Amino acid sequence: QTVVTQEPSFSVSPGGTVTLTCGLSSGPVSTSYYPSWYQQAPGQAPRTLIYSTNSRSSGVPDRFSGSILGNKAALTITGAQADDESDYYCLLYMGSDYVFGTGSKVTVL
Amino acid sequence: EVQLLESGGGLVQPGGSLRLSCAASGFTFSGYAMTWVRQAPGRGLEWISSIVDRGIITYYADSVKGRFTISRDNSKSTLYLQMSSLRAEDTAVYFCTRDRRFGTMYYFDYWGQGTLVTVSS
Repeated sequence: QTVVTQEPSFSVSPGGTVTLTCGLSSGPVSTSYYPSWYQQAPGQAPRTLIYSTNSRSSGVPDRFSGSILGNKAALTITGAQADDESDYYCLLYMGSDYVFGTGSKVTVL
Repeated sequence: EVQLLESGGGLVQPGGSLRLSCAASGFTFSGYAMTWVRQAPGRGLEWISSIVDRGIITYYADSVKGRFTISRDNSKSTLYLQMSSLRAEDTAVYFCTRDRRFGTMYYFDYWGQGTLVTVSS
């Protein structure tokens, strides 16, 4: 069974930088998994942030960026703002199916 | 403007059936794959099923395979999820998404607001 793991939680100060990662139980995450990232505020539907590792979805501020760091996909928030306080999920494409990561909760305080 | 509007959720007894619908507008529905994603209360997102643009290929997560059937009616711009043999663990908000698979990107670019399915006696 494929497991995609994210850090459970982060705390970041306003204006600070935080990097979330997305790891795969079966090996390194590469661009071939087309990692994407989604933000979900409480009680809301998810919002697409990043696709194909590092492409920003329409309307997403440039303080959100995606990359591969080592053997994981990564989402970096640079200059965190109060409304960035949300849950964040990565998604990997597994050749026909998709697998979501376990999710990371980001608190801005 | 792309819109996805789910309907059909509600309370159903264990072992029962339910059909969810997702009405799409603002884009050429027949040109895109579509996917259902669910989220159990207090839990993370779970991919459960996808269907290609013409509906001839479908994909399912192991957790729903053999119990759920995804389908679409391109003439009505509507996506469906027929759920049967429902279990308590199927209780979740079900989201309809537009799936950008095939090509150089694989992700979900638009999401509906979701419909809640509760399986309980």
